[in-house]
Amino acid sequence: SQTIHQWPATLVQPVGSPLSLECTVEGTSNPNLYWYRQAAGRGLQLLFYSVGIGQISSEVPQNLSASRPQDRQFILSSKKLLLSDSGFYLCAWSVVTVGSYGYTFGSGTRLTVV
Amino acid sequence: GNSVTQMEGPVTLSEEAFLTINCTYTATGYPSLFWYVQYPGEGLQLLLKATKADDKGSNKGFEATYRKETTSFHLEKGSVQVSDSAVYFCALSRLNNDMRFGAGTRLTVKP
Repeated sequence: SQTIHQWPATLVQPVGSPLSLECTVEGTSNPNLYWYRQAAGRGLQLLFYSVGIGQISSEVPQNLSASRPQDRQFILSSKKLLLSDSGFYLCAWSVVTVGSYGYTFGSGTRLTVV
Repeated sequence: GNSVTQMEGPVTLSEEAFLTINCTYTATGYPSLFWYVQYPGEGLQLLLKATKADDKGSNKGFEATYRKETTSFHLEKGSVQVSDSAVYFCALSRLNNDMRFGAGTRLTVKP
């Protein structure tokens, strides 16, 4: 069966420090991968999605970047964190097929920038 | 473009009350429709889905019917429990990399 792993679960980082969040998927090949951010009490904002290794699409300009070094690995990074980067970060994957079968989400990373 | 509008919360109900969370959509073509649930401190879980008009998705006592004529996908449950307290997201997708989420509705069920 397919599983998605996301870590760390919580992170407290000072302003100006770097960030690296990792997401890996097991049990499937060539998935679509996504990074979302959820600010406190708000909805989901799509940050990046990837349809293949090295292929990254950014939905909004921001202080973050994403990379997909391997088929089932998706990394969210920042060189220097801002206070506004605080939030709940969610990784998700979906199958590549005609039609829509929904997304499967990881358990999330709660990032607090202090 | 494609979008979803769901009722604003928060919604507070007593245990065993009837639940409705409204969701309407705007889309070209024939999207698939979804409800996701997010329990405190966790990621989103797919609750139910419907892929064509008049389909009814159901799971864990929750139901939603894909109504093309009213462009709606309202979530209902006949008798809520305290354990149903969570944030509920309506979403739509036409392809498989274009999921659009509503803003989420927080439900609190009191004993």
